[in-house]
Parts: sequence; C-alpha cells; structure tokens
Amino acid sequence: DAGVIQSPRHEVTEMGQEVTLRCKPISGHNSLFWYRQTMMRGLELLIYFNNNVPIDDSGMPEDRFSAKMPNASFSTLKIQPSEPRDSAVYFCASSLWDRTYEQYFGPGTRLTVT
Amino acid sequence: AQSVTQPDIHITVSEGASLELRCNYSYGATPYLFWYVQSPGQGLQLLLKYFSGDTLVQGIKGFEAEFKRSQSSFNLRKPSVHWSDAAEYFCAVAKTSYDKVIFGPGTSLSVIP
Repeated sequence: DAGVIQSPRHEVTEMGQEVTLRCKPISGHNSLFWYRQTMMRGLELLIYFNNNVPIDDSGMPEDRFSAKMPNASFSTLKIQPSEPRDSAVYFCASSLWDRTYEQYFGPGTRLTVT
Repeated sequence: AQSVTQPDIHITVSEGASLELRCNYSYGATPYLFWYVQSPGQGLQLLLKYFSGDTLVQGIKGFEAEFKRSQSSFNLRKPSVHWSDAAEYFCAVAKTSYDKVIFGPGTSLSVIP
C-alpha cells in the first residue's frame, strides 16, 4: 500500500485566498483524522471521521475551516479565507475504526500564508 | 477530560547512553496509553501501546515503556540510544481503542556522537 497520500506537500498563498488540502487514506481504513502542527500549539486534532461521517469537529478553529469526506478514499480540508496564523503543517492520518490509536500519518502539507 | 503532560521539552543524550522520557496523564479510569515518534519532516509513527495487563510493554526500535498507576505515569525508555533515534516523541492517551487520541506536547530528543 502507498500509505496515506497528501497533496500538495507545500502550499504558499496570500492572506484571503482559499486553500484546499487533500488526503487519500489507506485503503480499507475507515477512520480519518486531520491534525495541525505548529511550534506554539503542538499537534492539534482538528476533526475526525468514521465511515465518512464527522464524529468530532471540536478542534476546528473557526468557521473559516471546513472538512469533507465524500467517500472512503478522499477527504479535503478547506480554509477560506486564509490568514497568516493558519501557517502550519497539516497532517492527515487514517486507521481502522476500532484501532484509532494505530494511526498512519501522511507526510503532511506545509502551509504558508503571507 | 483526559490530558497528557511531558515535562521535558528537549533532551540531549550521548549515543549509547540510556534514555528515559517522562509522561504523565490525567484520566479517571485506566486509560489506553501510547508513545509515538516523529522523525524530522515526517508524520507520526506508533512506537508502543498499553491497554492492560503487564505494566511493562515492548515496542518497536528497542523501546519499552512502563505504566505506573500510582504515579499516573507512562515513561518511555531505551537502554542504548542510537543517532537515528533523534526525533520528537509524543505520549498519548485515549479512553478506548476506538476513541480519538489525545497527544502530549512532545519531547524533542537530540543525540550527540
């Protein structure tokens, strides 16, 4: 298996622009997680899905952030409008629903908002 | 609510020396406990897990961790550190095997030759 795939790997955008991050989980995994990592705040869980349904989105910072999982093999995290404080590395991870501790992380998307 | 603290932000050890990374958790019942490692520029990888039973658990890469209920701790150890162990280490907790995982702030490990 190719592992969790994220795209793009790097994104530089200007404040106010829309940003869409993409994730393809490992085939057969039915839980998917979006994290944000910064030096100041560490690793934060933004949202997670079970069987394509959002289970917990309490970590989503504000209405500018939205996440979707239209099917078992694809998820997006969208920021609109983006702000400089959104600059971070965003990770997607997937797991089996009953082994959420055994998450397989993607390589991350490094987002820079200028 | 569950929480995890890692008292050491950064640790430096010499190659070949022993290592212990500290972790304390807050949770009313017996938690599910984990250690993850993040190598530079990569995502996290599960090192080991504790659910119940033997309080000393073995993981990958020669790591082990010991659960001490009385101290609410789950410290990670390795008898002899290799240069390739330089990474960020995260302690984590969950209520069940199918619940979200709460990560600690991480401890950065540097290894000097």
